[in-house]
Amino acid sequence: DIQMTQSPSSLSASVGDRVTITCRASQSIGNYLNWYQQKPGQAPNLLIYGASNLQTGVPLRFSGSKSGTDFTLTISSLQPEDFATYYCQQSYSTSEGLTFGGGTKVEIK
Amino acid sequence: QVQLQESGPGLVKPSQTLSLTCTVSGDSISSGTYYWSWIRQPAGKGLEYLGRVYASGSTNYNPSLKSRVTMSVDTSRNQFSLELDSVTATDTAVYYCARLGAYYDQMDVWGKGTTVIVSS
Repeated sequence: DIQMTQSPSSLSASVGDRVTITCRASQSIGNYLNWYQQKPGQAPNLLIYGASNLQTGVPLRFSGSKSGTDFTLTISSLQPEDFATYYCQQSYSTSEGLTFGGGTKVEIK
Repeated sequence: QVQLQESGPGLVKPSQTLSLTCTVSGDSISSGTYYWSWIRQPAGKGLEYLGRVYASGSTNYNPSLKSRVTMSVDTSRNQFSLELDSVTATDTAVYYCARLGAYYDQMDVWGKGTTVIVSS
């Protein structure tokens, strides 16, 4: 099955910082990678789909990119409302399940 | 605006079957445009995909739970359902339903989630 290794598991950053989160797939998954933001007590919210497509309504400071089997979520200038946990999810193999990464908690420095 | 709402018992006894329903509003399951899925999250832990169901009743399940999971759809009520057999305490979690977007299977609309506790 496809494993998604997300790093770091947590990070501390300040408002205005540029933040990058990485997700590595255990095999090639094309562009079948999605990113979500989850705040405490809430359902996850889709940010990026297909590795680099911004979901409607999501601020432009969020972006996604891909290099081989490495995928990156970038927040160009961290805002107070961005402190949350972020998850990647592969959708390449539906027969093996749409697996999530372990999550990255972004905390206030 | 598409909305999803989970419903079902919040407490299930060990060895029994967990049953949840997701009611869809603002979209029609029978249109056949999307798959509909279930995800769960134990307290303080990450997300786990359980499986998906299509309007026709076709399903795909997480292999790790395949022997215990059944998903179905009721297009007349615009609902889809989850059954998880032989539950144990490790099945205690917040259960979410979500719509899977076309092509990339992105979970683009989520329910608010419902907490299910497995305890005697």
